[in-house]
Amino acid sequence: EPEVTQTPSHQVTQMGQEVILRCVPISNHLYFYWYRQILGQKVEFLVSFYNNEISEKSEIFDDQFSVERPDGSNFTLKIRSTKLEDSAMYFCASSGLRAGTEAFFGQGTRLTVV
Amino acid sequence: DQQVKQNSPSLSVQEGRISILNCDYTNSMFDYFLWYKKYPAEGPTFLISISSIKDKNEDGRFTVFLNKSAKHLSLHIVPSQPGDSAVYFCAASAGGGSEKLVFGKGTKLTVNP
Repeated sequence: EPEVTQTPSHQVTQMGQEVILRCVPISNHLYFYWYRQILGQKVEFLVSFYNNEISEKSEIFDDQFSVERPDGSNFTLKIRSTKLEDSAMYFCASSGLRAGTEAFFGQGTRLTVV
Repeated sequence: DQQVKQNSPSLSVQEGRISILNCDYTNSMFDYFLWYKKYPAEGPTFLISISSIKDKNEDGRFTVFLNKSAKHLSLHIVPSQPGDSAVYFCAASAGGGSEKLVFGKGTKLTVNP
């Protein structure tokens, strides 16, 4: 069964460092997303990506964040200068249908900023 | 910003009985609703969805009911099994060009053997 895969599963980084979280969406999907879940809180939308550009982003997704689809399979989230409050589970998702319908999530990357 | 609310943080049921998970929403622009299941250390897994033009959708043991006038939806699991024990998230999207899913806080379901 096709699935969304994310690497690494856990990343520890020092405050101020750059991190890149990687995702391989389901191959025939057209819409790609990043969500995050801070411990004990809701799953929150960060950004959606369609046709090689950002289609929607939340207030959380400020200038410190960027996304890229460098080739036909990978989808990355970069945080330029990490802060303690960026510590969270980051989930990549993809959807083949109309955006805002069934999105399939990866297993997540736990980011710990120390 | 509590557009999607799951007011019960936890629910415990006996194996074989019905589990009913509830969700309320405030944004009348939401037109598509989804339920996800999440195990620890895994991502959310899509379970079932419903469009606002319907009031019921069924898939095996899972049925979602939508009451638009009350801005309320529920997920029924019959019969409940121990493997259903997980956190269940209600999510909604507004369509009209908005692509994001707005999640509730989740309800932890425990099915006891």
